[in-house]
Amino acid sequence: AQTVTQSQPEMSVQEAETVTLSCTYDTSESDYYLFWYKQPPSRQMILVIRQEAYKQQNATENRFSVNFQKAAKSFSLKISDSQLGDAAMYFCAYRSPNYGGSQGNLIFGKGTKLSVKP
Amino acid sequence: DAGVTQSPTHLIKTRGQQVTLRCSPKSGHDTVSWYQQALGQGPQFIFQYYEEEERQRGNFPDRFSGHQFPNYSSELNVNALLLGDSALYLCASSFNRRRSDDGYTFGSGTRLTVV
Repeated sequence: AQTVTQSQPEMSVQEAETVTLSCTYDTSESDYYLFWYKQPPSRQMILVIRQEAYKQQNATENRFSVNFQKAAKSFSLKISDSQLGDAAMYFCAYRSPNYGGSQGNLIFGKGTKLSVKP
Repeated sequence: DAGVTQSPTHLIKTRGQQVTLRCSPKSGHDTVSWYQQALGQGPQFIFQYYEEEERQRGNFPDRFSGHQFPNYSSELNVNALLLGDSALYLCASSFNRRRSDDGYTFGSGTRLTVV
């Protein structure tokens, strides 16, 4: 079974600075997807960034980028130029490929609470 | 373009009662998944519905059941509620295709409190 581990329950960053959130996972599959989701107090899970395991290039979305190390099974999220609106819970998630009539379900870590100081 | 809609937003039930939560998927999506998020934890997969059938199920007892309607909307039913069922229930929709790197689209959830 696949597992996702986020070892930082809480992180803090100064506004405009850079912060990195860690995530490791365990799987025997060679093809899969990795995601970072943001969950603000509004409770809705918002997709921040995605990475396909077969793509060697690290994904980037504006101020958000990942460091994907497939051999090490590591998938960290870097937030540059942190803003007050970045404060939220961040969840790392793993998903297997689709098969048959099913889509791979998401397996989440326990999350990292990010605080942004003005 | 409407996103995922869940109802109700909050619910308080008594132990032993039954509850039904509802979810309307994002326009164009045909697959609905349900997740349970206990306080301070990451969401855990309950089950997934596609073409009105349960396609996958997580490690949840039979007290948790669901349904998908022809318009792709879905219900989650929980019978014989326990205090431990108190949680945020998230619905996520997606489009089922052979190869997809789409992240699911989530609703804002239903906060269920069992007293």
